[in-house]
Amino acid sequence: EVQLVESGGGLVQPGRSLKLSCVASGFTFNNYWMTWIRQAPGKGLEWVASITNTGGSTYYPDSVKGRFTISRDNAKSTLYLQMNSLRSEDTATYYCTRILGAQDYWGQGVMVTVSS
Amino acid sequence: DIQMTQSPASLSASLEEIVTITCQASQDIGNWLAWYQQKPGKSPQLLIYGATSLADGVPSRFSGSRSGTQYSLKISRLQVEDPGIYYCLQGYSAPFTFGSGTKLEIK
Repeated sequence: EVQLVESGGGLVQPGRSLKLSCVASGFTFNNYWMTWIRQAPGKGLEWVASITNTGGSTYYPDSVKGRFTISRDNAKSTLYLQMNSLRSEDTATYYCTRILGAQDYWGQGVMVTVSS
Repeated sequence: DIQMTQSPASLSASLEEIVTITCQASQDIGNWLAWYQQKPGKSPQLLIYGATSLADGVPSRFSGSRSGTQYSLKISRLQVEDPGIYYCLQGYSAPFTFGSGTKLEIK
């Protein structure tokens, strides 16, 4: 059974940093691109970052480029999202996902609240 | 960046009715289009991938189609378990983009 389990969320002040982790199991982690997607309270889905299976390439929308960094440790089957210079608009549930294929998996999500 | 214009924003339909939701891509995305259903407090669930392929375990009343750069999700006979918010996602090129969502309710 595929599982994606996120951790690391919480309340953080504007301008500070937070690092999310996602432990994957049930599939060969280093065969797949991985993606972070977020959803602000009561809002739609927003793609945040993707990383290729080797970690050699990463992709971001302009809204987080330069502030967020996606990375992975294939030996630990773990995906990360380093979030710096956090803003109130980054408040959201963050999902670790394996998407863009016939089989599609999402974690349960982890809440990040940016507030003073 | 590729824009995905989804319509309608909300929809109320009767049980057994046919429902159609559309996403218009701002440029060619081939068949790199997926449809998701999200229920309150839950992670989104994949319904359709590759524009027209039904995901595993999804009822056959759901179908996807493509006409040029317009993509449609059809529910052939609306059931009581179908309300939720539906999103399209283009996976053709980064930044990958979601439609704004369609809230589907039972009338």
